[in-house]
Amino acid sequence: GQNIDQPTEMTATEGAIVQINCTYQTSGFNGLFWYQQHAGEAPTFLSYNVLDGLEEKGRFSSFLSRSKGYSYLLLKELQMKDSASYLCATMDSNYQLIWGAGTKLIIKP
Amino acid sequence: TAGITQAPTSQILAAGRSMTLRCTQDMRHNAMYWYRQDLGLGLRLIHYSNTAGTTGKGEVPDGYSVSRANTDDFPLTLASAVPSQTSVYFCASSEGPETYGYTFGSGTRLTVV
Repeated sequence: GQNIDQPTEMTATEGAIVQINCTYQTSGFNGLFWYQQHAGEAPTFLSYNVLDGLEEKGRFSSFLSRSKGYSYLLLKELQMKDSASYLCATMDSNYQLIWGAGTKLIIKP
Repeated sequence: TAGITQAPTSQILAAGRSMTLRCTQDMRHNAMYWYRQDLGLGLRLIHYSNTAGTTGKGEVPDGYSVSRANTDDFPLTLASAVPSQTSVYFCASSEGPETYGYTFGSGTRLTVV
């Protein structure tokens, strides 16, 4: 079957670092995506990993281990505006995106 | 501003009535998608279209239909709405099914009563 797991909610402090984990089991694999979704808004693309390793993009980094079916999104120097849900998704062998339920990140001052 | 336009923004619909959710993109993307998003669940694919003139069923297609007469428009129709179709509906597009970086519309919040 196809399954994506990520924590339901996390809390972090402004200025700190937080890591959001995602584990997956999918039929075929054509990459892993992270999206950010603010409350009441549409998801917006953050990152894409198809090879093992770390991809860094400013304050955000995403890591992938295909052998472990594991990814994480690392957010540094947290700002209040980073309060949002973070969605993990994999692209299966049919190029369809399979979505996790999302992790709601709460940033406290 | 280029992107995806969805209409209406929100709607309250009586059970048994029909409704069409509109989606238009101006990026000339080949692939378009309809998702529903419910609390505690991930985005679930309803229908998709890899190119104009073709459509396919996603994970939860029952009770919904789509058409793709041209590249820009991808309407979603509920023939006879039921309360379980209460959800937020997102339309998305990409350059092709094998490409990444989907662009999402702002969503339609539908309540079926």
